[in-house]
Amino acid sequence: TQLLKQSPQFLSIQEGENLTVYCNSSSVFSSLQWYRQEPGEGPVLLVTVVTGGEVKKLKRLTFQFGDARKDSSLHITAAQTGDTGLYLCAGRYNNNDMRFGAGTRLTVKP
Amino acid sequence: KAGVTQTPRYLIKTRGQQVTLSCSPISGHRSVSWYQQTPGQGLQFLFEYFSETQRNKGNFPGRFSGRQFSNSRSEMNVSTLELGDSALYLCASSLVPGFGGEEQYFGPGTRLTVT
Repeated sequence: TQLLKQSPQFLSIQEGENLTVYCNSSSVFSSLQWYRQEPGEGPVLLVTVVTGGEVKKLKRLTFQFGDARKDSSLHITAAQTGDTGLYLCAGRYNNNDMRFGAGTRLTVKP
Repeated sequence: KAGVTQTPRYLIKTRGQQVTLSCSPISGHRSVSWYQQTPGQGLQFLFEYFSETQRNKGNFPGRFSGRQFSNSRSEMNVSTLELGDSALYLCASSLVPGFGGEEQYFGPGTRLTVT
């Protein structure tokens, strides 16, 4: 059973479109990270959020941490083909357990 | 600064054998975590080492073990391999354990195939 649920599982869009992916848990995170992973490679860290309500921007990517620190979202504006990949969220819980979501596989078509 | 390195990158073993995977963290990083990634289960935490001590352990059988050396390099061992152990094994390093703000960086992984 995934403690962290990511949605959607798959997403296929055209270049230039906007999208949002979600990461939800019934438990509170002490912190949360978003990664992007390409085939045959390890995940690459995009952002770490720690404070409830925190919003971080990384060029066309906007990350939001829920006020209650149980959920997070990643919004991509004007998607590009280079954004294609597996987007993973990972949360550290207060008992020091760390869990990854199953990921959202994004395909951006030219 | 060199990234996290893992060796070997690819490995094929048969059922019942054992395997040792190696991870060298980023220079100066003292914490190493190991993960198993499969299409069905996603990324699952195996264990975390800091200063040669295991700090955290995931829900895996005792066939999975690890250790960390004084230079922070880490190895993980899987004994009596099963077909279900086929996976991408990822190592991640961070300055110190936990990521209440501490970032972890992943290596490229070792792709293990058990036949």
